[in-house]
Amino acid sequence: EIVMTQSPATLSVSPGERATLSCRASQSIRNNLAWYQQKPGQAPRLLIYGAFTRASGIPARFSGSGSGTDFNLTISSLQSEDFAVYYCQQYNTWPPITFGPGTKVHI
Amino acid sequence: EVQLVESGGGLVQPGGSLRLSCTASGFTLSYYNMYWVRQVPGKGLEWIAYISSSSTTIFHADSVKGRFTVSRDNAKSSLYLQLNGLRAEDTAMYYCARDYRSSSGRAIDYWGQGTLVTVSS
Repeated sequence: EIVMTQSPATLSVSPGERATLSCRASQSIRNNLAWYQQKPGQAPRLLIYGAFTRASGIPARFSGSGSGTDFNLTISSLQSEDFAVYYCQQYNTWPPITFGPGTKVHI
Repeated sequence: EVQLVESGGGLVQPGGSLRLSCTASGFTLSYYNMYWVRQVPGKGLEWIAYISSSSTTIFHADSVKGRFTVSRDNAKSSLYLQLNGLRAEDTAMYYCARDYRSSSGRAIDYWGQGTLVTVSS
């Protein structure tokens, strides 16, 4: 099973600042990684797939990078609606599909 | 508009059973592989089941294997999850979700709002 880790667990930022979230896989997953955003009381929302392709309707301030075992999600200028929990997920080697534990972005 | 609506959750005693349903609209369910993913309140996401579009390929997570069973009825635009032998640790929000594939990659592109299963005596 591929284990996903994320850092930091929590990230304190101010609106307008840049945020970089990290995700690491226990073995290479090539670029088979997705990122999701989840707000309280809501289902997750797909942001990025294929490590760097933005999903439909996702603002350009969200960008993904990385391949192999190390990945980043960057939010270039945080908006108030971006404060949420972010999960990475690998689909290179499954079952099982595995998610990271999440990074909470808060003010 | 793509919608996934789960139902069937509730309070059940340890050892009990539930059947969760997910009704799809706004797209043709038979074209898509589907997942069930759960989330303990305040915790992370856990994949628990996958079923291919024609039900020919089915996977369950080890944590639920032998107790939970995923199925679907494309004619009814519905996905199901049968939960047997429920344990306290199965308490979670259960989401049905759609598989997305493209030349650029794969992901879960739509999620329902979830149905809450609480296992307690």
